[in-house]
Order: sequence, then structure tokens, then C-alpha cells
Amino acid sequence: EKVMTQSPATLSVSPGETATLSCRASQSVSPNLAWYQQKPGQAPRLLVFGTSTRATGIPARFSGSGSGAEFTLTISSLQSEDFAVYYCQQYSSWPLTFGQGTRLEIK
Amino acid sequence: EVQLVESGGGLVQPGESLRLSCAASGFTFSNYWMNWVRQAPGKGLEWVANIKRDGSETYYVGSVKARFTISRDNAKNSLYLQMNSLTAEDTAVYYCARDRGDGYTVGHFDSWGQGTLVTVSS
Repeated sequence: EKVMTQSPATLSVSPGETATLSCRASQSVSPNLAWYQQKPGQAPRLLVFGTSTRATGIPARFSGSGSGAEFTLTISSLQSEDFAVYYCQQYSSWPLTFGQGTRLEIK
Repeated sequence: EVQLVESGGGLVQPGESLRLSCAASGFTFSNYWMNWVRQAPGKGLEWVANIKRDGSETYYVGSVKARFTISRDNAKNSLYLQMNSLTAEDTAVYYCARDRGDGYTVGHFDSWGQGTLVTVSS
């Protein structure tokens, strides 16, 4: 099983600034890495798949990058609606596994 | 519009069984692999199981193998999860999630239901 580790657990950033979230896999999963956003009381929403491809309807301020076992989700010009929990997920092998999440909070 | 609506959650005692359902609409259900993903209270996401378009293949996370069974009825546009021998560790919101691949599995999920809460407690 591939273990996904996200850092930091909590990230405090001011609106309008840029947030950088990290995800590390226990083995290479490239390019099979997705990112999701989850707001309180809501289901997760797919943001990025294939490491860097934005899902339908996702704003360009969300960008994914990385390779091998190290990945990054960058959110630029943070909007109030972006403050949420973010999860990475590998789908290079079963079982599909998620990171433990990064909570992005308003500074 | 894609819609996934879960039902069947509730409070059960350890060792008991429960069957979850997910009603799908707004897309050709039989074209997609489907999944169950769960989230324990205050915790992260855990993929539980998935099933091929025609139901001929199923996969599970190790912790539920031999206890949970995923199935589908394409005529009814419905996905199911039969959960047996439940333990406190199975307490979670269970989400039905559609694989993004149309006709094949890609392993990530572009549509989710709102979830149904399963609580296992004596």
C-alpha cells in the first residue's frame, strides 16, 4: 500500500496571498495524483488529476505540479471560498489511498 | 446534472449488518466504475471499494475484505454496499463516488454524493 503524507497539517494564509500544499508518496505514483477540496459538511470536490490537469470548472488559480513521489498544489490569489481541507490521492495502484489532509485557514 | 444520493445509514451494534444504497441519475450509470469512500468523524478520506461497469470486477481495501460486498444494479441505476460484522472502526460517513473515466477506470472521482452516516456502537 502506498502511503500518502501531506504537509503541513494546517496552513494559515491571508486572502490574496499564495498557498503551497505538499504531498509525498511512500513510492513513486507519478503522474497518478489527484487533489480534492472539502468544505465543512460537504462532499469532496475534485480539483486536479494527472498531477496537473484541472478538473472541469476549477479556476486557474489552482495548479498542481510534481513528479515521482513529491507533489504540490498551489493556490494563488486566495479567495475566501478557498479556505477548506485539501486531500491528495494516489491512483497508481490499489488500494487507492489518500493523504491525511491539509487544513487551509485564514490568517 | 450528475446526482448521487446515498441512503441506508444509521446506528447499529457491533457485529451487526447494514446495507447502503446509492441512487444515480444524470448520467449513463452503466458506463462508469463506481466507488465507496468513507470518512470517520473528524478524520480523512479512505477508499473502501469499487466495482466495474458490469459488476464483473470488484476491489476492496484490506480492512473490509471478506466483510463488505459492493454490488450494482445497472437497470436500477443503483450502487450498494453490504456491510457485515461491523465494528466501531467502521463508523464513518460513507460516500458514493463516480470514477471520472467514461468506459474505463482512472482511479479518481469526479462526482460524489452527500454521504450517509453509519454509526457502530453498543
